[in-house]
Amino acid sequence: DAKTTQPPSMDCAEGRAANLPCNHSTISGNEYVYWYRQIHSQGPQYIIHGLKNNETNEMASLIITEDRKSSTLILPHATLRDTAVYYCIVRVLERFGNEKLTFGTGTRLTIIP
Amino acid sequence: DTAVSQTPKYLVTQMGNDKSIKCEQNLGHDTMYWYKQDSKKFLKIMFSYNNKELIINETVPNRFSPKSPDKAHLNLHINSLELGDSAVYFCASSQGTWSRRGSYNEQFFGPGTRLTVL
Repeated sequence: DAKTTQPPSMDCAEGRAANLPCNHSTISGNEYVYWYRQIHSQGPQYIIHGLKNNETNEMASLIITEDRKSSTLILPHATLRDTAVYYCIVRVLERFGNEKLTFGTGTRLTIIP
Repeated sequence: DTAVSQTPKYLVTQMGNDKSIKCEQNLGHDTMYWYKQDSKKFLKIMFSYNNKELIINETVPNRFSPKSPDKAHLNLHINSLELGDSAVYFCASSQGTWSRRGSYNEQFFGPGTRLTVL
């Protein structure tokens, strides 16, 4: 799986959009970009994933650059409950149990009241 | 309704003891995993099982023995506990489902078991 680089920490004001960047310059054509987050003392939680098109769900939007070497996770209206460590993971999708997630150090996002 | 549950939530024990952590998922998934998060917060996979068959074993010492009695359960037994085994252990499950957008392999994590070895 390709390596990812994320800033170690970010702050965002409550109610504003939080934009979390991720660099994955060695990504290959069959690798997806996944985002998970871990709220303090809880298990990681899936947020969103994508291959090359931008994606949106009820939690967030994922913007992937045309060359796929970087992406941005957007939380459109951050709340205090979005304070967490956010992990960007790049991986080939596999089936039947060989689907390990390789977590890096992530970005610690703090939402400021 | 808890999707992925683990027991116990906290486990404090002495070096050399043998202990087990239990995991159950009620999502009907075929695949279950164990991850370890150490004191520096690095989260690493240990094992995965698909339909009760071991798929991934990430060079974990053989003191760790996962057991999957059925698809809904994946228990972790640890023999001869060492200080370095102190960590938070997370169980997860997933169902590889292929859709038009490609495989959707979201993993659902349990709340974690904090193991402290004294």
